Amino acid sequence: TQLLEQSPQFLSIQEGENLTVYCNSSSVFSSLQWYRQEPGEGPVLLVTVVTGGEVKKLKRLTFQFGDARKDSSLHITAAQTGDTGLYLCAGVEKGSGAGSYQLTFGKGTKLSVIP
Amino acid sequence: DTAVSQTPKYLVTQMGNDKSIKCEQNLGHDTMYWYKQDSKKFLKIMFSYNNKELIINETVPNRFSPKSPDKAHLNLHINSLELGDSAVYFCASSQALDPFTDTQYFGPGTRLTVL
Repeated sequence: TQLLEQSPQFLSIQEGENLTVYCNSSSVFSSLQWYRQEPGEGPVLLVTVVTGGEVKKLKRLTFQFGDARKDSSLHITAAQTGDTGLYLCAGVEKGSGAGSYQLTFGKGTKLSVIP
Repeated sequence: DTAVSQTPKYLVTQMGNDKSIKCEQNLGHDTMYWYKQDSKKFLKIMFSYNNKELIINETVPNRFSPKSPDKAHLNLHINSLELGDSAVYFCASSQALDPFTDTQYFGPGTRLTVL
């Protein structure tokens, strides 16, 4: 199983500020996903990036997949209190069963946006 | 309508007991998963089933036994509970096994506390 390192582990910022969180691995993933998890809830998929160098935008969120497909970043512009949550990246890799895949999650970045 | 539901939401039990967690999805998906999220928020795949067949079985103690009576249900039975089993267990489902087009939908989690 490949490992994903996320940084920072914790991030507390004022509303309106910009931020970037990172997801790094020494191994190549076929694709990478970002999830957001709120307390007491399961993770919810935000985006899947597939191609090296790919950039995807969801409103104020910008996701980038590294050229070598080993790392990714999530940039949030003008953070809002509703962005508060745990942001998880997950690398997609081949599973142990034939034709299967599995997600390997990073440990997450806990973001707090203060009004 | 809840897409992926789990029962119970909270489970507190004594060491050595046997307990089950139930999961149901009403999305018509073929694939279901169990994940464990520890106290540090690290989310790790345990099992996946596709059409009631075991696809992924990560290094999990054999005290954990998943059972899929039909495509819509994947239950997790745990024998001889240990303190280290305390965690939040998430069920998830996806349409098939293609990570590029599929989205995994997570349940709300079951917080298991072993005393």
